[in-house]
Amino acid sequence: DAKTTQPTSMDCAEGRAANLPCNHSTISGNEYVYWYRQIHSQGPQYIIHGLKNNETNEMASLIITEDRKSSTLILPHATLRDTAVYYCIVRSNDYKLSFGAGTTVTVRA
Amino acid sequence: DTEVTQTPKHLVMGMTNKKSLKCEQHMGHRAMYWYKQKAKKPPELMFVYSYEKLSINESVPSRFSPECPNSSLLNLHLHALQPEDSALYLCASSPPTGRDGYTFGSGTRLTVV
Repeated sequence: DAKTTQPTSMDCAEGRAANLPCNHSTISGNEYVYWYRQIHSQGPQYIIHGLKNNETNEMASLIITEDRKSSTLILPHATLRDTAVYYCIVRSNDYKLSFGAGTTVTVRA
Repeated sequence: DTEVTQTPKHLVMGMTNKKSLKCEQHMGHRAMYWYKQKAKKPPELMFVYSYEKLSINESVPSRFSPECPNSSLLNLHLHALQPEDSALYLCASSPPTGRDGYTFGSGTRLTVV
């Protein structure tokens, strides 16, 4: 699976949109982009995934560039409960979901 | 039921003990997973079961022995562990294709003394 690069940490103001970038320049055509988050002392939580089209659900939006070499997870109105480690993962159609270091997001009041 | 339930939540065991971690889901998911997470590190995949058969073993030492007795249950048997095996052990499940999102349990925090 292709490697991903994310910033180590970022801060966000409560009520504002949080834009989390992810670089995956070596992604191949059959690989999906997944986002998970892990709130302290809990198991990871699935957020969203996509192949090449932008996706939106009740939690977030996923914007994938046309060349698919990068993507952005958007939390539209961040709350204190969104403070977590966010993982961007690229994987093909197998069972190996491999986590990288992730981005520690701190939402501040 | 949309949860993965792991028991126990906390476990302290000696290096000569034998213990088991249990994971249960009733979402009809046919793929189940064990992950290990050390403090301040990302989760690391250990084992994958697909349709109750072991499909991936990420070169895990034999002191960890997984078992999938039926489509809803996943066990991890522990024997002769080392202190460095202390970690959060996470169970997850997903639909058979593996393409959809995984559902994770809250984990078992294991301390080996």
